[in-house]
Amino acid sequence: GDSVTQMEGPVTLSEEAFLTINCTYTATGYPSLFWYVQYPGEGLQLLLKATKADDKGSNKGFEATYRKETTSFHLEKGSVQVSDSAVYFCALSDGKAAGNKLTFGGGTRVLVKP
Amino acid sequence: GAVVSQHPSRVICKSGTSVKIECRSLDFQATTMFWYRQFPKQSLMLMATSNEGSKATYEQGVEKDKFLINHASLTLSTLTVTSAHPEDSSFYICSAKTGPNQPQHFGDGTRLSIL
Repeated sequence: GDSVTQMEGPVTLSEEAFLTINCTYTATGYPSLFWYVQYPGEGLQLLLKATKADDKGSNKGFEATYRKETTSFHLEKGSVQVSDSAVYFCALSDGKAAGNKLTFGGGTRVLVKP
Repeated sequence: GAVVSQHPSRVICKSGTSVKIECRSLDFQATTMFWYRQFPKQSLMLMATSNEGSKATYEQGVEKDKFLINHASLTLSTLTVTSAHPEDSSFYICSAKTGPNQPQHFGDGTRLSIL
């Protein structure tokens, strides 16, 4: 079945540091890929997405490129802020009409210190 | 746009009580809603897919008689945890889609604590 693997946290950074969170996936067909962010005590917010190979999703300074050859969708941000402290989830959708279920990675907790 | 509201945000109740959680799409119609459960510091586990006007589709291992799902309208799905016990304590999150092949938009979750 489909699966998503992302690096375990917590990742602790200083403000303005470069952030990378690795994400790889296993899926049949051509899934859509997503990054979601969860702030403490809240639900998930869609951060960015990519629906086909070589697409780059970007939002709020975060970027991720859909790499079919390496089955990866790594999240990057060039200069993090304290407000970026959250849990980040990589996810894929099988793209099928029936439900488009999301399969999540285990989540990576990021802590940015001033 | 695409706001999903969950209510209540937190509930504490005694063992044996049934608890209902509502999930509403505020500014769009959602033919499909999803219910997830999240254990502390873990990822989301899909419990069921809720389709308006039909029975929910439950994931393997999820007791449908324990977790009753009703999707009576295009803007509301409810999850009822029947005869809740301490092991049912968890963070429950719903999501909804604006249409086929569209991203899921999540509610803020409901923290359920069973004493």
